[in-house]
Amino acid sequence: ETGVTQSPTHLIKTRGQQVTLRCSSQSGHNTVSWYQQALGQGPQFIFQYYREEENGRGNFPPRFSGLQFPNYSSELNVNALELDDSALYLCASSPSDRVYTEAFFGQGTRLTVV
Amino acid sequence: GEDVEQSLFLSVREGDSSVINCTYTDSSSTYLYWYKQEPGAGLQLLTYIFSNMDMKQDQRLTVLLNKKDKHLSLRIADTQTGDSAIYFCAESMNNQGGKLIFGQGTELSVKP
Repeated sequence: ETGVTQSPTHLIKTRGQQVTLRCSSQSGHNTVSWYQQALGQGPQFIFQYYREEENGRGNFPPRFSGLQFPNYSSELNVNALELDDSALYLCASSPSDRVYTEAFFGQGTRLTVV
Repeated sequence: GEDVEQSLFLSVREGDSSVINCTYTDSSSTYLYWYKQEPGAGLQLLTYIFSNMDMKQDQRLTVLLNKKDKHLSLRIADTQTGDSAIYFCAESMNNQGGKLIFGQGTELSVKP
């Protein structure tokens, strides 16, 4: 059973605002990855945090930033929101950043930018 | 570049077998995954296969891997209405765990 929780589940923001999304990783997991899933698309990798350091980044602009805390929970921050940022944001935690790891996903945060 | 492709829709009758296909581009991927997403929900890991395997069976699920053609398939035996969902194929980005490249997803519709 996955123990990855995300908050909030839904939120609505206005274009130009900033948003912070939160993720609590599964117990024992030190790696958190964030994905953006636009409607009708597969998830796109945003970045990964491993032991509080960014450990790889996808093709997303710098206004997408993140943090990982000593308890391995994580935040995704998006500045200067654009309409195209409307999506489901998924967090996944892994036991480590090693290749054979399995990523367990949270239920996601549905962000709507108006 | 890295890309994962899937057909978008599949419709089957309850009790039939479903086969969902996927092609990928990164031949160095060590693991390939199948995830399931139900409406309004996150992703559930169904199964994965190590790249040195040709086949993996897990109850009603069978994964076939053809490394030469970079083709992956998921067969669901005795498909049930509860199997209706979107199925995503994924490969590891640059062979690094937790960094996945997903296909667009195949929407499976199971008719009674």
